[in-house]
Amino acid sequence: GEDVEQSLFLSVREGDSSVINCTYTDSSSTYLYWYKQEPGAGLQLLTYIFSNMDMKQDQRLTVLLNKKDKHLSLRIADTQTGDSAIYFCAEAYYGNNRLAFGKGNQVVVIP
Amino acid sequence: DTGVSQDPRHKITKRGQNVTFRCDPISEHNRLYWYRQTLGQGPEFLTYFQNEAQLEKSRLLSDRFSAERPKGSFSTLEIQRTEQGDSAMYLCASSFQQSSNYGYTFGSGTRLTVV
Repeated sequence: GEDVEQSLFLSVREGDSSVINCTYTDSSSTYLYWYKQEPGAGLQLLTYIFSNMDMKQDQRLTVLLNKKDKHLSLRIADTQTGDSAIYFCAEAYYGNNRLAFGKGNQVVVIP
Repeated sequence: DTGVSQDPRHKITKRGQNVTFRCDPISEHNRLYWYRQTLGQGPEFLTYFQNEAQLEKSRLLSDRFSAERPKGSFSTLEIQRTEQGDSAMYLCASSFQQSSNYGYTFGSGTRLTVV
């Protein structure tokens, strides 16, 4: 079944790197996503990775996928105050009829 | 196109009343999804439509909940006889079927408070 776990809170200084982790239990997931949610707002898709990839880099974002351990991470380089938000990982099956989200990880960037 | 629009942004209602929310997806998107997000949790899937057909419903969608997408464009989510446990953010998202694996576009949500 779908069960996505995330740690809850991360504090980071502006300019440092942030790393957010996520574990999932369903090995049949084909796509994994990172979404960002700012206060009072909906979810913004940041990036995604297909399950046959190990790594994906997109500007300041690096996604690492360890399928053996069912572990997904998001690294944000040169963290900015605008990166303060809640970050959700999510998994989907082929066809993407539904996403299963983790509880989210709140990132607070200290100027 | 300004993205996925949801209306209203906030709704306060008394327990037992009926409420209806509206979602306008991105115009060329043929898939539309409803999720519910309670405080401190990630969104949970409720239901999704492909065009006007409701293809999947979560067991979270009790018989007090009904969703429609009559012309394959906007969608409504109605909750009858609201309960305090229905208080949550209701999120709508849309995607184009052929590119749905690349993620959805979410609206800003409707926050429901049942008092």
